Amino acid sequence: KNEVEQSPQNLTAQEGEFITINCSYSVGISALHWLQQHPGGGIVSLFMLSSGKKKHGRLIATINIQEKHSSLHITASHPRDSAVYICAVAANTGNQFYFGTGTSLTVIP
Amino acid sequence: NAGVMQNPRHLVRRRGQEARLRCSPMKGHSHVYWYRQLPEEGLKFMVYLQKENIIDESGMPKERFSAEFPKEGPSILRIQQVVRGDSAAYFCASSPSQGSNYGYTFGSGTRLTVV
Repeated sequence: KNEVEQSPQNLTAQEGEFITINCSYSVGISALHWLQQHPGGGIVSLFMLSSGKKKHGRLIATINIQEKHSSLHITASHPRDSAVYICAVAANTGNQFYFGTGTSLTVIP
Repeated sequence: NAGVMQNPRHLVRRRGQEARLRCSPMKGHSHVYWYRQLPEEGLKFMVYLQKENIIDESGMPKERFSAEFPKEGPSILRIQQVVRGDSAAYFCASSPSQGSNYGYTFGSGTRLTVV
């Protein structure tokens, strides 16, 4: 079993729709990151969370430490949001990050 | 601040050749992490280095792979005698200190293709 599970694996949305991507993890963490990877591109860190909620533009990330769950929301989605979104957790022991397998989002105009 | 720089962006090697991937961390960052992303798979940790020290190489294959982060210059991930299964995207990340989640920054990756 992976330490980090994401859902859905693939997501297609119409432009303007509200999108939610979920992440559950099984290890103790010091922080959780949401990452964005465009096709053939590098990885960009969107958020780092250790509690509560963060907002940046149309993106909102929440985390529930007790339930070991985080969500990434995109409001008023746009085709340029099409990318793979990866949940990563920094374990509170050792030096590693654990990564989900990613959610591939396609936003159709 | 140019961020984490990886080069080359794309690297093609024939089976049996050596691949050298370079990562220059962000200015002020002394901790470097290497990750591998195999096709259709998620990112996997390979190795964590500080200047002149390997701290954790638990994710790195025991043979053919090595990593260094010298006092001067970039971190190098070296793959000897490459095989087709080494074809992947290799990402480097850096942070200012151990366990620091702030300023943790990824590079754009090196895509290695073994033909």
